[in-house]
Amino acid sequence: AQSVTQLDSQVPVFEEAPVELRCNYSSSVSVYLFWYVQYPNQGLQLLLKYLSGSTLVESINGFEAEFNKSQTSFHLRKPSVHISDTAEYFCAVSDPSNTGKLIFGQGTTLQVKP
Amino acid sequence: NAGVTQTPKFRILKIGQSMTLQCTQDMNHNYMYWYRQDPGMGLKLIYYSVGAGITDKGEVPNGYNVSRSTTEDFPLRLELAAPSQTSVYFCASLRVRTGHGYTFGSGTRLTVV
Repeated sequence: AQSVTQLDSQVPVFEEAPVELRCNYSSSVSVYLFWYVQYPNQGLQLLLKYLSGSTLVESINGFEAEFNKSQTSFHLRKPSVHISDTAEYFCAVSDPSNTGKLIFGQGTTLQVKP
Repeated sequence: NAGVTQTPKFRILKIGQSMTLQCTQDMNHNYMYWYRQDPGMGLKLIYYSVGAGITDKGEVPNGYNVSRSTTEDFPLRLELAAPSQTSVYFCASLRVRTGHGYTFGSGTRLTVV
């Protein structure tokens, strides 16, 4: 069965510093990988996704993630964070049943300090 | 387009009461999902539907029921509320094979006392 592990429950960082949020998954088949972001008191929004092709994927607000098949990882990075990036971030992997189901990690709270 | 609309946003229930969480989408998405979010646990799938008239259990279906009579609506029913059902509930929809990911509703925060 698939599973997703987000290795850090909380990541405090100062504004303009780089950040990495770690995500490892387990799966015996090819998967799709996602990062979702949840701002306080809101629903989740898709941040970026890996479906196929280039292993480095980028979002419109400066985040990037790299799919590493050998290490079964999909870490999220940003070279310089802003206060507005404070949110909870969820890594997710697709279920192989072709029903669109996702398995989510436990979430990582990114706290950007001034 | 409104996207995915969930009602109510907040609700307090007493143990043993029943309620229905409403979810409506106006994007003509075939696939819909109910997840619950608990602190430190991520999101767990309760039920899902791949089209009108078709529903199936997810990872944590006990204590819940769903129906899907139309493409637009996917209500979640709690028959006998228990404190363990205190959670934030999210509905999501998906247009498959586009790679666009889920569209989530804004959530329903439910407290059972």
